[in-house]
Amino acid sequence: EPEVTQTPSHQVTQMGQEVILRCVPISNHLYFYWYRQILGQKVEFLVSFYNNEISEKSEIFDDQFSVERPDGSNFTLKIRSTKLEDSAMYFCASVPSGYGNEQFFGPGTRLTVL
Amino acid sequence: AQRVTQPEKLLSVFKGAPVELKCNYSYSGSPELFWYVQYSRQRLQLLLRHISRESIKGFTADLNKGETSFHLKKPFAQEEDSAMYYCARADGGATNKLIFGTGTLLAVQP
Repeated sequence: EPEVTQTPSHQVTQMGQEVILRCVPISNHLYFYWYRQILGQKVEFLVSFYNNEISEKSEIFDDQFSVERPDGSNFTLKIRSTKLEDSAMYFCASVPSGYGNEQFFGPGTRLTVL
Repeated sequence: AQRVTQPEKLLSVFKGAPVELKCNYSYSGSPELFWYVQYSRQRLQLLLRHISRESIKGFTADLNKGETSFHLKKPFAQEEDSAMYYCARADGGATNKLIFGTGTLLAVQP
């Protein structure tokens, strides 16, 4: 059964450094999402992506964040200058199409900013 | 703002006991509600959605619009049910993103 994959599983970085989190959604899916979960808190929506552009972003998704689908398979989340408070689990999800569809989640990338 | 509330952080029961994981949502039209489960060291996966009205692994959840609740129930808990359970709703907007509750850790004791 196809699955969403994410790399790396754990990323440790220094404050101020750039990080790129990678996701490979399920191949025939059309909608893509990034969520994050700070330790002990709820899973929060960051951004959604459809038809090669951002369709919605949350207040968390400021100018330090960007997303790309560079080659039709990968879906990346970049944080330009990481802050301590960016330490969290980042989940990618994808959906085939339309409403009422299950979001398929990747296993997550744990980002630790020192 | 739309909210999903799961009042219990931890629910500990003995094997064979009934389980009810509570979920309430802020009222807004016709909600689309889900239960996701995360077993230890595994990814979030869909357990149930209210539109399908199905039973998965013995779990059921009924949407109660009057009480704005979508509690998850199982009559007889099994040890393998131990996991983190998240209630979520789709926000119905352009992207239908999910809004999650804080999650309840279900621990089933032998």
